[in-house]
Amino acid sequence: EAQVTQNPRYLITVTGKKLTVTCSQNMNHEYMSWYRQDPGLGLRQIYYSMNVEVTDKGDVPEGYKVSRKEKRNFPLILESPSPNQTSLYFCASSRIAGDRGIQYFGAGTRLSVL
Amino acid sequence: AQKITQTQPGMFVQEKEAVTLDCTYDTSDPSYGLFWYKQPSSGEMIFLIYQGSYDQQNATEGRYSLNFQKARKSANLVISASQLGDSAMYFCAMREGPHSYYRGGYQKVTFGIGTKLQVIP
Repeated sequence: EAQVTQNPRYLITVTGKKLTVTCSQNMNHEYMSWYRQDPGLGLRQIYYSMNVEVTDKGDVPEGYKVSRKEKRNFPLILESPSPNQTSLYFCASSRIAGDRGIQYFGAGTRLSVL
Repeated sequence: AQKITQTQPGMFVQEKEAVTLDCTYDTSDPSYGLFWYKQPSSGEMIFLIYQGSYDQQNATEGRYSLNFQKARKSANLVISASQLGDSAMYFCAMREGPHSYYRGGYQKVTFGIGTKLQVIP
């Protein structure tokens, strides 16, 4: 089954404790992206990647890191989480060409930073 | 300036009626794509419909159609014959940059803040 898998689904942590949210896709997509969703703000792009070792900042990259060492994986790293990073996070993937660039989303990770 | 504007925070529609959700966009890139996604209360993001900037005809997918007015930079979603299961948040999104393997290109994606649609029996 074609899917984007995020882990964990729920996470409660404390300020300053480094964490990683994993994202993996099995569709051989070149493009992967991370978003955060906050009430009244919609989804905002954090980082995206056009292919292995190619990443670029979205609209809200501050406080986040990403890496793309393998095509299927695109982890989101919070080196020193702060309460303002409490949010619902989505990973998504798509083809660069073909399939109209439709993004397929993971189920989301709800993060609370205390 | 906001790149994607959805001005209707909430909408109500009677079951079996049609409803239009508004979306305007702003870009100077000649190559872009416009999407609508649905987010039910369960939280998943579901793709509904796509319109490319060079597409001549309005996109349709079943009960969904996209009213694309390029000169006005609007991409409204029309849902015909609304069903109770259509109650959800609806997001308009734009991909800027060519949808290709163009080296050096980019594909940044911007979402609007969403419209909450409630279908009334």
